[in-house]
Amino acid sequence: EPEVTQTPSHQVTQMGQEVILRCVPISNHLYFYWYRQILGQKVEFLVSFYNNEISEKSEIFDDQFSVERPDGSNFTLKIRSTKLEDSAMYFCASSGPFRIEGIITEAFFGQGTRLTVV
Amino acid sequence: AQKITQTQPGMFVQEKEAVTLDCTYDTSDQSYGLFWYKQPSSGEMIFLIYQGSYDEQNATEGRYSLNFQKARKSANLVISASQLGDSAMYFCAMREPFSGAGSYQLTFGKGTKLSVIP
Repeated sequence: EPEVTQTPSHQVTQMGQEVILRCVPISNHLYFYWYRQILGQKVEFLVSFYNNEISEKSEIFDDQFSVERPDGSNFTLKIRSTKLEDSAMYFCASSGPFRIEGIITEAFFGQGTRLTVV
Repeated sequence: AQKITQTQPGMFVQEKEAVTLDCTYDTSDQSYGLFWYKQPSSGEMIFLIYQGSYDEQNATEGRYSLNFQKARKSANLVISASQLGDSAMYFCAMREPFSGAGSYQLTFGKGTKLSVIP
């Protein structure tokens, strides 16, 4: 069964360093997302990406964050200068094309990257 | 205002019994989707079931069913014949219609921690 894969599963970084979280979405999907989950809290939307550009982003997704689809398979989240409060589980998700009534169905999530900023 | 409300922070159920996890939502849109995800202690987000707002029948996927009551804006997850492996956090999420090309985000509830007792 196709799945979203994320690497690494766990990353530890020093405050102020740049990190890149990598994701390989499901191959025929068109929409890509990043979510984060601070430990013990709910999952929060960061950004959605479609047709090689950001389609929507939340307040969390400030200038320190950027996303890229550098080739046909990878989707990356870059945090330019990490802060302690960036420590969280980061989930990549992807979803497929429209259904007939114009609503996409399932978003499939990767297994997450646990980012720890020290 | 919260868009997704899960009022049960924790639930216990005896193995082989059925359990209902509550979810209410708030939207003024006519077209939306409701999802349930399972998050085991390992952290990954596992898609369980989806209900579209126009779907007339309640969604079912194996032991999972969604009790969709549109007028009450509730989308409760029913797990039949609970198994020890069902112990996890369960998140209800809503997707609202597109607000632009490719704009799609899930709004998650705070989750319910289900513990299955042998």
